Amino acid sequence: GQNIDQPTEMTATEGAIVQINCTYQTSGFNGLFWYQQHAGEAPTFLSYNVLDGLEEKGRFSSFLSRSKGYSYLLLKELQMKDSASYLCAVVMFSGGYNKLIFGAGTRLAVHP
Amino acid sequence: EAQVTQNPRYLITVTGKKLTVTCSQNMNHEYMSWYRQDPGLGLRQIYYSMNVEVTDKGDVPEGYKVSRKEKRNFPLILESPSPNQTSLYFCASSLRSPTEAFFGQGTRLTVV
Repeated sequence: GQNIDQPTEMTATEGAIVQINCTYQTSGFNGLFWYQQHAGEAPTFLSYNVLDGLEEKGRFSSFLSRSKGYSYLLLKELQMKDSASYLCAVVMFSGGYNKLIFGAGTRLAVHP
Repeated sequence: EAQVTQNPRYLITVTGKKLTVTCSQNMNHEYMSWYRQDPGLGLRQIYYSMNVEVTDKGDVPEGYKVSRKEKRNFPLILESPSPNQTSLYFCASSLRSPTEAFFGQGTRLTVV
């Protein structure tokens, strides 16, 4: 089976740094996505990691350790607009196809 | 503009009345999928399609049907909706899997 864990809620202060963790247990691992979802809106793509290491994209960075089944999303210089849910999604290769499995999401509240 | 379009955005219906939620993408993507999103459970895949005439069940397919007669369209059909299908539904497409998924704006369905 597969299992993806991420914290349900986090709070942080504007201008600070926050790290959102995601741990997973799955067979046929073939990459990990992070998506951002504002309340009532569609998820939007943030990052994709398939190899170990850190991928940096502006204020957002994502890290992956395949051996540990662990990823994190790092948000720097937090802004109020970063208040949203952050979804970790693992790509699992099974039966000849890739399948995307989402965690329940982490709701981040940024306060002044 | 590249986009995934779902219709309707909101729908209230009665138990047992067949309905179809349409999904269309204009990016010539091969891979399309349907998800439902419920509080605390995250996005769960209902069905996916690797290409025209190729569809397969996701994690929660019971009570749903799909078809992929042409590349751009991937409708979701509820033959006999029940209250436990009340949810927020998202259609998504990607060039292939695993690559960045683009999501539609969502359909909030209420079955009474």
